[in-house]
Amino acid sequence: GQSLEQPSEVTAVEGAIVQINCTYQTSGFYGLSWYQQHDGGAPTFLSYNGLDGLEETGRFSSFLSRSDSYGYLLLQELQMKDSASYFCAVLYSSASKIIFGSGTRLSIRP
Amino acid sequence: EPEVTQTPSHQVTQMGQEVILRCVPISNHLYFYWYRQILGQKVEFLVSFYNNEISEKSEIFDDQFSVERPDGSNFTLKIRSTKLEDSAMYFCASSEGDGTEAFFGQGTRLTVV
Repeated sequence: GQSLEQPSEVTAVEGAIVQINCTYQTSGFYGLSWYQQHDGGAPTFLSYNGLDGLEETGRFSSFLSRSDSYGYLLLQELQMKDSASYFCAVLYSSASKIIFGSGTRLSIRP
Repeated sequence: EPEVTQTPSHQVTQMGQEVILRCVPISNHLYFYWYRQILGQKVEFLVSFYNNEISEKSEIFDDQFSVERPDGSNFTLKIRSTKLEDSAMYFCASSEGDGTEAFFGQGTRLTVV
């Protein structure tokens, strides 16, 4: 089978740093992606990790540990516009399937 | 900037009717996907399509669903006999080569009454 676990909700303060964790159990794992979705919008790609370690893209960073079946998304210098749902997604080999976690709703307080 | 486009943005249909949801993926992309999202819930994988055939499908994608690439640009999802529980947002996505970054359309909101 396959499963992805991430917290359902996280609250943070504007300007702060927040980390959203994701653990997965699956076979055929190729890599881990992160997507952002604002209410009423489409998922948009944020970051991808195919190898262990940290990937940095501006205020967003993502980390993967294959041995621990674990990854996280780190958002720095939080802005109100970062309030959204964040999904980790497992990419299977041959790109045949991208399976999304249940999503983490990030709420940011002034 | 290239984007995935979906039509219609909203479709209301009666239970038992057939619907076709349309998508135009980004032109040089090779992998195409359909996803479903019931309001407030997770993004659920339905099917992937590569080289003019289904690559992978989920248990949701039963005999009432089908996909086609009728020409070089369009990618369609057909639901043969809609049920109330098919009401959801349906997203089409495409990926250039290896699936590491998927681009999503704005979705079609399907309401079955």
